[in-house]
Amino acid sequence: SQTIHQWPATLVQPVGSPLSLECTVEGTSNPNLYWYRQAAGRGLQLLFYSVGIGQISSEVPQNLSASRPQDRQFILSSKKLLLSDSGFYLCAHNRDPGELFFGEGSRLTVL
Amino acid sequence: KQEVTQIPAALSVPEGENLVLNCSFTDSAIYNLQWFRQDPGKGLTSLLLIQSSQREQTSGRLNASLDKSSGRSTLYIAASQPGDSATYLCAVHTSGGSYIPTFGRGTSLIVHP
Repeated sequence: SQTIHQWPATLVQPVGSPLSLECTVEGTSNPNLYWYRQAAGRGLQLLFYSVGIGQISSEVPQNLSASRPQDRQFILSSKKLLLSDSGFYLCAHNRDPGELFFGEGSRLTVL
Repeated sequence: KQEVTQIPAALSVPEGENLVLNCSFTDSAIYNLQWFRQDPGKGLTSLLLIQSSQREQTSGRLNASLDKSSGRSTLYIAASQPGDSATYLCAVHTSGGSYIPTFGRGTSLIVHP
């Protein structure tokens, strides 16, 4: 069966510090991978999606970046966090254009 | 550009009621529509996936219908329970080459005893 893991689950970081959130998918190959952010009281915002290794599309210009070093690994990064980067980050995967599955999320608080 | 709207934004009902949550979309050329549940502080859990060729899908007390021509889907929850309290989101995969699903903003449901 397919599973998706995200870590860390919770993160508290000072402004200006770096960020690395990881997402790993098991039980499937060549998935589409997505990073979403969910800010308090707001809907899901798509940040990045990837259809293959090294193929990253950005939906929102910002100080975040994403990488896909392996087929089932998706990493969200920042060199310098802003207060506005606080939120709930969700990784998801599917096979085109099939059922979408989400991880448990990573709660980021920037102080 | 596909737009997905969910009405109502919030709903509070007593236990035992049958509920209908609505999802509407502007572009009827879709591959599928998916309903999710999200508990506070958690990820999204897939409830039902309806392919564009299907009219409805059922899982336990949940029934989702799809009317592509009118751009609407409904999620019916029978005999609601306090454990059904959560936010319910729908997402649409639109035909035409994009891999990206479009989400509604969700309906926040509270079922009180």
